[in-house]
Amino acid sequence: QKEVEQDPGPLSVPEGAIVSLNCTYSNSAFQYFMWYRQYSRKGPELLMYTYSSGNKEDGRFTAQVDKSSKYISLFIRDSQPSDSATYLCAMRNQAGTALIFGKGTTLSVSS
Amino acid sequence: GAGVSQTPSNKVTEKGKYVELRCDPISGHTALYWYRQSLGQGPEFLIYFQGTGAADDSGLPNDRFFAVRPEGSVSTLKIQRTERGDSAVYLCASSPVAGVVDTQYFGPGTRLTVL
Repeated sequence: QKEVEQDPGPLSVPEGAIVSLNCTYSNSAFQYFMWYRQYSRKGPELLMYTYSSGNKEDGRFTAQVDKSSKYISLFIRDSQPSDSATYLCAMRNQAGTALIFGKGTTLSVSS
Repeated sequence: GAGVSQTPSNKVTEKGKYVELRCDPISGHTALYWYRQSLGQGPEFLIYFQGTGAADDSGLPNDRFFAVRPEGSVSTLKIQRTERGDSAVYLCASSPVAGVVDTQYFGPGTRLTVL
């Protein structure tokens, strides 16, 4: 079992839809949770990070962490074609020296 | 300001050859990371530098892989006796300090193809 599991999709939605992206993880010691967005042939860019459990909102994006279930989510409201990308969940390892990524979910938003 | 830059953007080599991949971090960033991203996968950690020293190299897959950062800025990832399985995008990231909430800024990657 990988430490971080993420359904690779692809996920296709119409413009304006609410998108839900999810990851599960196995190490209960993880404390910092991140979502990165990666456009084709580009490096990942940080979208959201959350410490421990709870919700965090930034514009159209909401990140949720449920440590009891070892489950994290990213919600995108009013999705736009420009949101079409691969979304990677990531967790910082216990030593604080590296990020552990999921496989990424490819999202396509059609206009 | 300028982001993380990586050269070359693409590298095609033959099995058994030696390659060097270069990373220029954001100026002033003390922490530097290398990751490898295979097709359809998320980035996988290779090595982390704090300043000039490798603070964590536990992700290097074997002794054909080596990385240096001699002056605490530019880093070079070196791969000896390349194999077809080494084909991937090699990503470099930097951050201002090492810590649990720092942001890692990624470069665009070097796409390595081993024929």
